[in-house]
Amino acid sequence: DAGVIQSPRHEVTEMGQEVTLRCKPISGHDYLFWYRQTMMRGLELLIYFNNNVPIDDSGMPEDRFSAKMPNASFSTLKIQPSEPRDSAVYFCASSLWGTTQETQYFGPGTRLLVL
Amino acid sequence: AQKITQTQPGMFVQEKEAVTLDCTYDTSDPSYGLFWYKQPSSGEMIFLIYQGSYDQQNATEGRYSLNFQKARKSANLVISASQLGDSAMYFCAMREKGGSGAGSYQLTFGKGTKLSVIP
Repeated sequence: DAGVIQSPRHEVTEMGQEVTLRCKPISGHDYLFWYRQTMMRGLELLIYFNNNVPIDDSGMPEDRFSAKMPNASFSTLKIQPSEPRDSAVYFCASSLWGTTQETQYFGPGTRLLVL
Repeated sequence: AQKITQTQPGMFVQEKEAVTLDCTYDTSDPSYGLFWYKQPSSGEMIFLIYQGSYDQQNATEGRYSLNFQKARKSANLVISASQLGDSAMYFCAMREKGGSGAGSYQLTFGKGTKLSVIP
């Protein structure tokens, strides 16, 4: 079975540019999570969705960040405009409610560098 | 207060030896889950093992086992017979169930422990 798919794997952009990160969760999973990992702050939850509906976006750092999930198999995280402090690894994860563990399975991540 | 504490920033272990990575947690929720993930240098987050707060037995998955001491609020990961490929960052994480229904699905992660396996 395919795991969580993220694209691009690496993104280098200049300050002020729009960045769009993409995620395809594991088929059948009903929860989708976006995390950010930095050396300073570790792994932080940005937002998560249940059945395509945003449930908790309290981790989104500011209005420059937005996330959508138009259908069960696709989500985007957009940063507009990007800033150097947004440089991080962004992970998408998915899980299935009702299973014993409800484990979150992570994608490979997108390494974002904003110059 | 930190919800997940991993006190060992770095650990070394000889190949084929066992190693214990520490994790303590803080919650008042009676229903919670504890997870360990491995992050090799390639960057992906790999799920290793899970322990539920109501589980009577310590979780085991191959060479990984979880030493769960509920009263002490600790969930240490034990890796037996270390291999060179075990060199990686290891993260402990907790999910608190929170309210009714689907509850809270937020995973809170510790800062991680960097394990280096010496040949």
